[in-house]
Amino acid sequence: DAKTTQPTSMDCAEGRAANLPCNHSTISGNEYVYWYRQIHSQGPQYIIHGLKNNETNEMASLIITEDRKSSTLILPHATLRDTAVYYCIVRAMRDMRFGAGTRLTVKP
Amino acid sequence: DAGVIQSPRHEVTEMGQEVTLRCKPISGHDYLFWYRQTMMRGLELLIYFNNNVPIDDSGMPEDRFSAKMPNASFSTLKIQPSEPRDSAVYFCASTTGTGSAGYTFGSGTRLTVV
Repeated sequence: DAKTTQPTSMDCAEGRAANLPCNHSTISGNEYVYWYRQIHSQGPQYIIHGLKNNETNEMASLIITEDRKSSTLILPHATLRDTAVYYCIVRAMRDMRFGAGTRLTVKP
Repeated sequence: DAGVIQSPRHEVTEMGQEVTLRCKPISGHDYLFWYRQTMMRGLELLIYFNNNVPIDDSGMPEDRFSAKMPNASFSTLKIQPSEPRDSAVYFCASTTGTGSAGYTFGSGTRLTVV
């Protein structure tokens, strides 16, 4: 599976959009981009995934560049409860392997 | 749907004792995964099963660790004998093999070996 690069940490003001970037320049044509988050001491939570089209659900939007070498997870109106570690994962096979992720802190 | 259920939530044991962690996946999910999380190493995939059969156990740290899935609704991760360095949070996750579905994780078992 392709490797991903994410910033170690980010801050966001409450009520503003949080835009979390992920670089996956070695992604293959059959690999999906997945996003999970982990709120302190809880199990990781699935957020969204996509192959090449942009995706949106009740939690977030996923924007994938046309060359698929990077993506952005967008939380449209961040709340304090969105403070968590966000993981970007690229994979084709069944197993999901987590990196260090981005620690997002939403501030009042 | 009760989600993925893990037990116990917390376990404190003495070095050298056997520890068994349990997981009940979501009904209908045919993939089950065991992860370990520590501050130093993050989330590590230990082993995963498909239709109760172990597919990849390359992440199991050593022979002291073993995992079984006797049926579609139950899996165990056993450590014998336990050591202080096994202290971690152990997560179980499940998913369906249909399409590209994401995983559902349990709440984890926090293991402390003293």
